[in-house]
Amino acid sequence: DTAVSQTPKYLVTQMGNDKSIKCEQNLGHDTMYWYKQDSKKFLKIMFSYNNKELIINETVPNRFSPKSPDKAHLNLHINSLELGDSAVYFCASGMTGGYEKLFFGSGTQLSVL
Amino acid sequence: AQSVTQPDIHITVSEGASLELRCNYSYGATPYLFWYVQSPGQGLQLLLKYFSGDTLVQGIKGFEAEFKRSQSSFNLRKPSVHWSDAAEYFCAVGGNYKLSFGAGTTVTVRA
Repeated sequence: DTAVSQTPKYLVTQMGNDKSIKCEQNLGHDTMYWYKQDSKKFLKIMFSYNNKELIINETVPNRFSPKSPDKAHLNLHINSLELGDSAVYFCASGMTGGYEKLFFGSGTQLSVL
Repeated sequence: AQSVTQPDIHITVSEGASLELRCNYSYGATPYLFWYVQSPGQGLQLLLKYFSGDTLVQGIKGFEAEFKRSQSSFNLRKPSVHWSDAAEYFCAVGGNYKLSFGAGTTVTVRA
């Protein structure tokens, strides 16, 4: 009964490949997020979707494309992977403005070789 | 724009000793402030939050934090640390539909 689940947990791939990370929440939240945590542990927001609408796009390269087929899912597709994309990607969900109820997934560790 | 500064990158503390982690924020309006903890290989867990009211807030695992508007600070404290408190701690400010995190403080607990 995981509240926010991400798959896969680990992803190892070659430069230039295209990969996707999936996220699902079963909490009935209307807002979902993608955060990137770099090697120095710094967490930076990438995208936020509210009711399937993109509301935050924090100067992320066009190679990253989020897709929200419904309120419970927010997937992240990455084209032409680069070494610098190696990081841990966290999905999170909450209600609009409801920061106190923000739940995080356990992360996807992406390694680009 | 909102931002958070955690001045201490790494803190080492003896088991049983007290712990204080510093956090300074920048936000134009009344801030929503949070402390999260991340254990190795895990996601983030909310320790405590401040929205309004009493400036001393209690959280889980024996942690507390004090909001000081005059200093733009929200420091986290624990009177007596346990070895299981070794983790990464993040301060965050909420606003503009997102949480903005500090760079984190790594806490090492020595026996």
